[in-house]
Amino acid sequence: DGGITQSPKYLFRKEGQNVTLSCEQNLNHDAMYWYRQDPGQGLRLIYYSQIVNDFQKGDIAEGYSVSREKKESFPLTVTSAQKNPTAFYLCASSRPALAYGYTFGSGTRLTVV
Amino acid sequence: SQQGEEDPQALSIQEGENATMNCSYKTSINNLQWYRQNSGRGLVHLILIRSNEREKHSGRLRVTLDTSKKSSSLLITASRAADTASYFCATGLFYNQGGKLIFGQGTELSVKP
Repeated sequence: DGGITQSPKYLFRKEGQNVTLSCEQNLNHDAMYWYRQDPGQGLRLIYYSQIVNDFQKGDIAEGYSVSREKKESFPLTVTSAQKNPTAFYLCASSRPALAYGYTFGSGTRLTVV
Repeated sequence: SQQGEEDPQALSIQEGENATMNCSYKTSINNLQWYRQNSGRGLVHLILIRSNEREKHSGRLRVTLDTSKKSSSLLITASRAADTASYFCATGLFYNQGGKLIFGQGTELSVKP
């Protein structure tokens, strides 16, 4: 079955440490997105990529980095510059046309220890 | 930037009743979408309505869009306990705006058996 796989499901980060969240899709979607969700809040866009080897900053890109070397993969690195990284991170993908909804992964819950 | 504002923030009803959630937004949009999120999970796409459409149905869901008032509503008829979840509206922007989705804060729906 096609879908998006996020891993790990839970991740613990020490102060000053970089961590990378994985997002892989087999839907043949061109566009991929990373969102952050804080408790009781909506989703805020971190980065998005509409095509391989290209990506744009979203509303809260500071302290995060991404790469898009393959169509199937869009990993997110949470760097030590992100001062408040504890949150639920969601990856999504979509077809390029605007007439389609997003398919979301099941999320990664990141906690700073 | 949170474009969508949802009302109410929380809604509690009895099984069998109808649930209505509202969403307002600020800028011109290509489409408006509704998503559902069960606790601790990813979002699931429910329905998409284009800016030139006024009403759309899918099973027990009915969505309306009023572009003159920049507002939308989601009606769930004959609700079930399994409908308990958070519901988010998301506005789809045009390609020259990045073609991305901007999410609202969500409405938390509780359906009591």
